[in-house]
Amino acid sequence: QTVVTQEPSLTVSPGGTVTLTCASSAGAVTSSFYANWFQQKPGQAPRTLIYTTSQKHSWTPDRFSGSLLGGKAALTLSGVQPEDEAEYYCLLYSGHTWVFGGGTKLTVL
Amino acid sequence: QVQLVQSGAAVRKPGASLRVSCKASGYTFTDYYIHWVRLAPGQGLEWLGRVFPRDAGIHYPQKFQGRVTMTGDTSTSTVYMDLAHLTSEDTALYFCLRERDGGYFDYWGQGTLVTVS
Repeated sequence: QTVVTQEPSLTVSPGGTVTLTCASSAGAVTSSFYANWFQQKPGQAPRTLIYTTSQKHSWTPDRFSGSLLGGKAALTLSGVQPEDEAEYYCLLYSGHTWVFGGGTKLTVL
Repeated sequence: QVQLVQSGAAVRKPGASLRVSCKASGYTFTDYYIHWVRLAPGQGLEWLGRVFPRDAGIHYPQKFQGRVTMTGDTSTSTVYMDLAHLTSEDTALYFCLRERDGGYFDYWGQGTLVTVS
């Protein structure tokens, strides 16, 4: 079973930039892993921010972007807002199954 | 507009079974996968499997094979997830989630709280 690894926690100042990463035990993450990124706040259903590595939904704020970086999927937040404080999860495709990363708790401080 | 509306909260005893439903509207039901995901207290999101209502194709992670069953009813545009042999570790918020083939995830259901006690 593939294991997907994210940073457990990150802290960023308002207005700053932060990059969250998502690594696979199966090897370097490529576009074939169809990486998706989700934001989850307490008491709410998760929200899909990024699909297939870098595509945004109509509701995704411009400050969020997805990419591949150094063999990992990456989510970059530029110009962080207080409301971006949340848990972020990546999801990777692995041979007819999908695996979530453990999540990154992002603190805006 | 696309909506995924899930059934209400449920309480089950250990060893019992559970059925959660996810009623879809606002799109062509048979064109999309429906996935099930859960969030247990103090844990991260966990993928439970997916079903493709057009041909009833299913994929489950090894951990849940033999214990989870996902089906789709095209007459009511509803997907069902059945989970058997419940334990306290199945206490969680359960979500359905839509995917267009190729990793295009978008809409989520509102979540169903399941308590096993």
